[in-house]
Amino acid sequence: EAGVVQSPRYKIIEKKQPVAFWCNPISGHNTLYWYRQNLGQGPELLIRYENEEAVDDSQLPKDRFSAERLKGVDSTLKIQPAELGDSAVYLCASSSGEFRTSMNTEAFFGQGTRLTVV
Amino acid sequence: AQSVTQLDSHVSVSEGTPVLLRCNYSSSYSPSLFWYVQHPNKGLQLLLKYTSAATLVKGINGFEAEFKKSETSFHLTKPSAHMSDAAEYFCVVTLSGGYNKLIFGAGTRLAVHP
Repeated sequence: EAGVVQSPRYKIIEKKQPVAFWCNPISGHNTLYWYRQNLGQGPELLIRYENEEAVDDSQLPKDRFSAERLKGVDSTLKIQPAELGDSAVYLCASSSGEFRTSMNTEAFFGQGTRLTVV
Repeated sequence: AQSVTQLDSHVSVSEGTPVLLRCNYSSSYSPSLFWYVQHPNKGLQLLLKYTSAATLVKGINGFEAEFKKSETSFHLTKPSAHMSDAAEYFCVVTLSGGYNKLIFGAGTRLAVHP
């Protein structure tokens, strides 16, 4: 079974340019997460989806970041315009736990997209 | 609110010696706790998880962790370190009951010397 697939693996852009990341979760996983991991730190949640609904986007900088999960499967995360401080690894994860009904299940992570803004 | 503190940012051990990576959590509810490992240029991989069953949890690659509610701790141990264990380790806390919000610690970098 394929794991969580992210693309691209690496991206270098100039500041003020837009950038988009794509994530394909594990088939059947209704929960999808986007995390940002700065160098030397733990991942921080940006947004969490339950199916197509964003149930937690409190950490998403909405002035420049946007995300969507059409049809509750694939997801894209966009930054426009990018700033130097956005350089980080962007991680996508998915899990099969049903929202509010079950014990937490593990999240499976993709390999991430390493963004460098110059 | 939930939070997790990894007490050591770096741990260095010799091959064949025990490993101890410390984690303390704060949660208003019964937590679920996880340890993830991240090798360079690879994705995060689950080592083990605690979800209110047995307090001593065994994971992959010989790792185990013990949930101690009185100490609000979930320390990760391994009796004998291997060179391949060198990686970044993250302690993660989340609410039980399906809220599915993973909160990561800052990570502990484990170095294993010959």
